[in-house]
Amino acid sequence: DAGVTQSPTHLIKTRGQHVTLRCSPISGHKSVSWYQQVLGQGPQFIFQYYEKEERGRGNFPDRFSARQFPNYSSELNVNALLLGDSALYLCASSPFGGGRADTQYFGPGTRLTVL
Amino acid sequence: SQQGEEDPQALSIQEGENATMNCSYKTSINNLQWYRQNSGRGLVHLILIRSNEREKHSGRLRVTLDTSKKSSSLLITASRAADTASYFCATDFLNNDMRFGAGTRLTVKP
Repeated sequence: DAGVTQSPTHLIKTRGQHVTLRCSPISGHKSVSWYQQVLGQGPQFIFQYYEKEERGRGNFPDRFSARQFPNYSSELNVNALLLGDSALYLCASSPFGGGRADTQYFGPGTRLTVL
Repeated sequence: SQQGEEDPQALSIQEGENATMNCSYKTSINNLQWYRQNSGRGLVHLILIRSNEREKHSGRLRVTLDTSKKSSSLLITASRAADTASYFCATDFLNNDMRFGAGTRLTVKP
């Protein structure tokens, strides 16, 4: 089976622009989580979606939003980009969610650079 | 904010030696997980230990959990150059997300 896939692999944007990152979970997984990883640090939790509903939100501004589609794929949107948004954005899927933090299967990430 | 903190931040050993990494966390947990990350790529799950378990093994990996001290350790025995990576501990937080530490960067020299 295919693992978690993310697109695009790399992205360069300028301050103030908007970006959409995409994630396809492992087949059969209903939970998708998004993480931001700044260079030299561990991943920071942004959102979790389970069965198309937001089940968790980290400490990120409202410029960050996400959604999950009926096929369980997900999009992460970031508006009004700042230099500090430059990071590796990781998507992870899990069979479970909505009250259970279990093994996460990570995609390769999208490297976002904001100039 | 990050829940777990790994120690040491960086570790350099020779191939064949054992590597031990520690993780401390702040709040009560249901489970603790260890992940590996190679060169800024996606994370790979290594092992999950639940709060009612004290020790767990997987191949050359041994994880211990001490809930009274809010700490865990990851031991990699007979290390190989391919073990060079960053290692992160992650704890469940409010049951809906995981909190990662800043990681230990392990270098195994051939």
